[in-house]
Amino acid sequence: AQSVTQLGSHVSVSEGALVLLRCNYSSSVPPYLFWYVQYPNQGLQLLLKYTTGATLVKGINGFEAEFKKSETSFHLTKPSAHMSDAAEYFCAVSLSGGYQKVTFGTGTKLQVIP
Amino acid sequence: GAVVSQHPSRVICKSGTSVKIECRSLDFQATTMFWYRQFPKQSLMLMATSNEGSKATYEQGVEKDKFLINHASLTLSTLTVTSAHPEDSSFYICSARDPRGSVNEQFFGPGTRLTVL
Repeated sequence: AQSVTQLGSHVSVSEGALVLLRCNYSSSVPPYLFWYVQYPNQGLQLLLKYTTGATLVKGINGFEAEFKKSETSFHLTKPSAHMSDAAEYFCAVSLSGGYQKVTFGTGTKLQVIP
Repeated sequence: GAVVSQHPSRVICKSGTSVKIECRSLDFQATTMFWYRQFPKQSLMLMATSNEGSKATYEQGVEKDKFLINHASLTLSTLTVTSAHPEDSSFYICSARDPRGSVNEQFFGPGTRLTVL
């Protein structure tokens, strides 16, 4: 079984400031990890994913995340926030190996202040 | 990337009626599709896994007779909310696995907002 915890349901940053959205996971085997973004009344769009290999993963729109096994974390960062980054962000986890069910976190709403 | 569409985007119906929501993979064949429900300001809750040509697998607590799923082709899955009631009002999102891509990566439709009066 696996689970994911997102710390902070709301995060506010100033435009141009660092974005840090936290995600911790629990998995009995090596996990696959994902970050999705959701704009109001829309579906989810994949930002980035970690499966194997390099632990620092770069995604779209300047986001990146680092898989830290020792800390069971997969925090999402972006050096400089843009107004268009305001959205809901979901961290997700699945077991590795073949097709597995994906479990989503409760989401973090990012507000960007001009 | 792979594209998934949903129809309708919004639907308002009277209590007791049935509503059908379609999920289509537009540029790939999806043997597996998923149906999620999302309540306001909450995460996605997996309702069922839809497999082409076989019965859907429902999550615990989801009424299969209430939420009928049909995956009759490799590009179409439908969710029918039968005898809808106000508590069924929610945002329903489907997703599909593209077998050409990374395992477990799902592509999401834009969602359907259901309001039951």
